[in-house]
Amino acid sequence: EDQVTQSPEALRLQEGESSSLNCSYTVSGLRGLFWYRQDPGKGPEFLFTLYSAGEEKEKERLKATLTKKESFLHITAPKPEDSATYLCAVQRSYGGSQGNLIFGKGTKLSVKP
Amino acid sequence: ETGVTQTPRHLVMGMTNKKSLKCEQHLGHNAMYWYKQSAKKPLELMFVYNFKEQTENNSVPSRFSPECPNSSHLFLHLHTLQPEDSALYLCASSQLAGIYNEQFFGPGTRLTVL
Repeated sequence: EDQVTQSPEALRLQEGESSSLNCSYTVSGLRGLFWYRQDPGKGPEFLFTLYSAGEEKEKERLKATLTKKESFLHITAPKPEDSATYLCAVQRSYGGSQGNLIFGKGTKLSVKP
Repeated sequence: ETGVTQTPRHLVMGMTNKKSLKCEQHLGHNAMYWYKQSAKKPLELMFVYNFKEQTENNSVPSRFSPECPNSSHLFLHLHTLQPEDSALYLCASSQLAGIYNEQFFGPGTRLTVL
């Protein structure tokens, strides 16, 4: 069964304290892995798509990496405005409902000044 | 308007009411989606439309009825809902369904069923 597990569920950091969020997945052939940011009361905001193991993408203080079994979202020197829930989703490359995204439960990040 | 918009942003309804949620995308996409987001649970895909045709119904109860009159508009008609249907309902769009699938989300409708 396809599954996406994100850890930790919640993470509290001090401003400037770098860390990583994990997304592990089991899927019947990976077409793509997606990272989203969601602020309270809002819809998810697209951040990155990763397609193959070894791929990396960066945006400001965020860097996403992908291996064959998991993805990491590295946050370097975070600021309070990085506080949000970060969602990971995978898309299968074949089989039924192959185009649909399978989401994890998310990691709630809080960055204190 | 830009991106994906949803109205209303908040909705309170009784179990016997009939209401509709509206979604509009201004991105020129051809696929649209409805998701349900409940506390402590992953986003649940409800329906997928590709070029106005429904391609996915993820075992959603019939009290939820989608409508997609064109590639830019998506509705979710609600009737005789249950309190457990209270959730954030999100609309999303992408260039195509089933292929490269970067989905862009609207702000959601917070639904409360009394």
